[in-house]
Amino acid sequence: QVQLQQSGPGLVKPSQTLSLSCAISGDSVSSNSATWNWIRQSPSRGLEWLGRTYYRSKWYNDSAVSVKSRIIISPDTSKNQFYLQIYSVTPEDTAVYYCASRRDNAFDIWGQGTMVTVSS
Amino acid sequence: QSALTQPASVSGSPGQSITISCTGTSSDVGGYNFVSWYQHHPGKAPKLMIYGVSNRPSGVSNRFSGSKSGNTASLTISGLQAEDEADYYCSSYTSSSTHYVFGTGTKVTVL
Repeated sequence: QVQLQQSGPGLVKPSQTLSLSCAISGDSVSSNSATWNWIRQSPSRGLEWLGRTYYRSKWYNDSAVSVKSRIIISPDTSKNQFYLQIYSVTPEDTAVYYCASRRDNAFDIWGQGTMVTVSS
Repeated sequence: QSALTQPASVSGSPGQSITISCTGTSSDVGGYNFVSWYQHHPGKAPKLMIYGVSNRPSGVSNRFSGSKSGNTASLTISGLQAEDEADYYCSSYTSSSTHYVFGTGTKVTVL
């Protein structure tokens, strides 16, 4: 049974970097059949897909245009987890952040969510 | 990329059936059979209920069913139960650079 466990700070200062981790159990971040995604939810923007990383003989990443210039999503094969980093955050980045796997064209497993507040 | 449109709320009595709509465009819902539905109890992880428009993952009750007509997908919950009270979101692949888009969400209330 695949499970995703998120970790990271709940408070980030404006202009600093938001960093979250998602630990995978029951599957491998190097899986050839899954992609590993970050999604956030806020009252103003609803649910928003941020980006993904995945392995298909080599590593790929892509991200939403809205955050493309400020985001890095990366895998860690030694720890079997993946990360989200958003640079130069503003209060608009305040949201609940979720990691999720995607198989069979759906987000099949979600992490528990991390409320991140951007405030000084 | 605009969110998919869902009604803000739907309610029903125990045992009744309700249907939640999810309206998009030919670039997302209407163009691909990649619509999925999620149940979200606040404070918990969202749960996949339907994938590929009408497929149920293992373990999901057969009271949940999905369909699609044109640019609108639908989730039907039959035999409504108190435990079905939650927020429901649709999602679709989109040909835009966003890749995936979500619905605005529907709060289901069991009267």
